[in-house]
Amino acid sequence: EAQVTQNPRYLITVTGKKLTVTCSQNMNHEYMSWYRQDPGLGLRQIYYSMNVEVTDKGDVPEGYKVSRKEKRNFPLILESPSPNQTSLYFCASSLLTGPFGPGQGPWGTEAFFGQGTRLTVV
Amino acid sequence: AQSVAQPEDQVNVAEGNPLTVKCTYSVSGNPYLFWYVQYPNRGLQFLLKYITGDNLVKGSYGFEAEFNKSQTSFHLKKPSALVSDSALYFCAVRDISPLVNRDDKIIFGKGTRLHILP
Repeated sequence: EAQVTQNPRYLITVTGKKLTVTCSQNMNHEYMSWYRQDPGLGLRQIYYSMNVEVTDKGDVPEGYKVSRKEKRNFPLILESPSPNQTSLYFCASSLLTGPFGPGQGPWGTEAFFGQGTRLTVV
Repeated sequence: AQSVAQPEDQVNVAEGNPLTVKCTYSVSGNPYLFWYVQYPNRGLQFLLKYITGDNLVKGSYGFEAEFNKSQTSFHLKKPSALVSDSALYFCAVRDISPLVNRDDKIIFGKGTRLHILP
């Protein structure tokens, strides 16, 4: 079954204790991305990756790190979590869109989302 | 800069009535537009997309959306609402910057909560 898997689903941690949220996809997608969802703010992109070893900042990258050593995995790292990082986090993947990468396309591909990780930093 | 606006935080519709959830966008290039739905404690599920061609696109669960270039809108519609349609709906745009920038962002609106009243 095609899916994006995030772990853990729920996490409560203390300020300053490093944590990693894992994300794995089995669809051979080039593009992967992390979002945080907060009430009244919708989904905001944290980081994205267009392929292995290629990562870029989204709209709210401060306090987060990512790595893309393998195509299927895109972990989100919080080196020193703070309470303002309490949120619902989603990982997503998709085929690469546009004239990048092999085959010059496809255009406008939709993203597949994981189930979410609810993080609480106290 | 690219952006997506969903002007309504919440929409209430009686079961059986038509529903519309509004979305307007702003992009620098060609708009690739999407609608997603989020049920409680679930991730986002893809509903439909507009890439090119017919302005009216049909998607999952009987939903459709109309692309209007002059009004830069992509409103989600359904002819007859069901109670099970109650969920949080997100409009999104995928904006491809020129090749030289190699940028590819998916930008979401803030979401509209749809309540279908029995």
